[in-house]
Amino acid sequence: AQSVTQPDIHITVSEGASLELRCNYSYGATPYLFWYVQSPGQGLQLLLKYFSGDTLVQGIKGFEAEFKRSQSSFNLRKPSVHWSDAAEYFCAVGSMEYGNKLVFGAGTILRVKS
Amino acid sequence: DTGVSQDPRHKITKRGQNVTFRCDPISEHNRLYWYRQTLGQGPEFLTYFQNEAQLEKSRLLSDRFSAERPKGSFSTLEIQRTEQGDSAMYLCASLPGGAGTQYFGPGTRLTVL
Repeated sequence: AQSVTQPDIHITVSEGASLELRCNYSYGATPYLFWYVQSPGQGLQLLLKYFSGDTLVQGIKGFEAEFKRSQSSFNLRKPSVHWSDAAEYFCAVGSMEYGNKLVFGAGTILRVKS
Repeated sequence: DTGVSQDPRHKITKRGQNVTFRCDPISEHNRLYWYRQTLGQGPEFLTYFQNEAQLEKSRLLSDRFSAERPKGSFSTLEIQRTEQGDSAMYLCASLPGGAGTQYFGPGTRLTVL
């Protein structure tokens, strides 16, 4: 069965500190990988995606993620967090073999302290 | 704004009532997906369409749920005889062709009293 694990339910970082959000997946096909961000009561905004090629992908708002096939991971990073980054972050996996429907993790809530 | 719109944004209903939500995807996108997100969880897949054809339904989609996409444009999701367990955010997403990035709408928040 396909699954995505985000081990950290909540993370608190100081403004200006670095951030890493973890994501591990179990998937029976070649995965497409995504990170989305959601503000309270809002829809999902795409931060970045990996389909193929360079395993280090750059996204919006200074985020990046690295795909590590051997570890089945796709961790999200940002070198310096801003207060406006406080939100919930979701890792998701999909593939053409499964109709591109996305399987999401449970999310990580990021709090930024000033 | 992703270009995907959903209506209404909020719906409060009493248990046993029927509700219908609408999603308008990005116009050139031929795939449309519905997801449900309950509090503290990530979105879960419900169903998807390619043009007007409904290609897959999740086991989460009980007989009380029905979705349509007439003419391959907007889609509706109807829930009959709502239950309190149906309270959730219902998200719609559209996708160009068979692969790529899904663009999500703002969601419809359903509260069943």
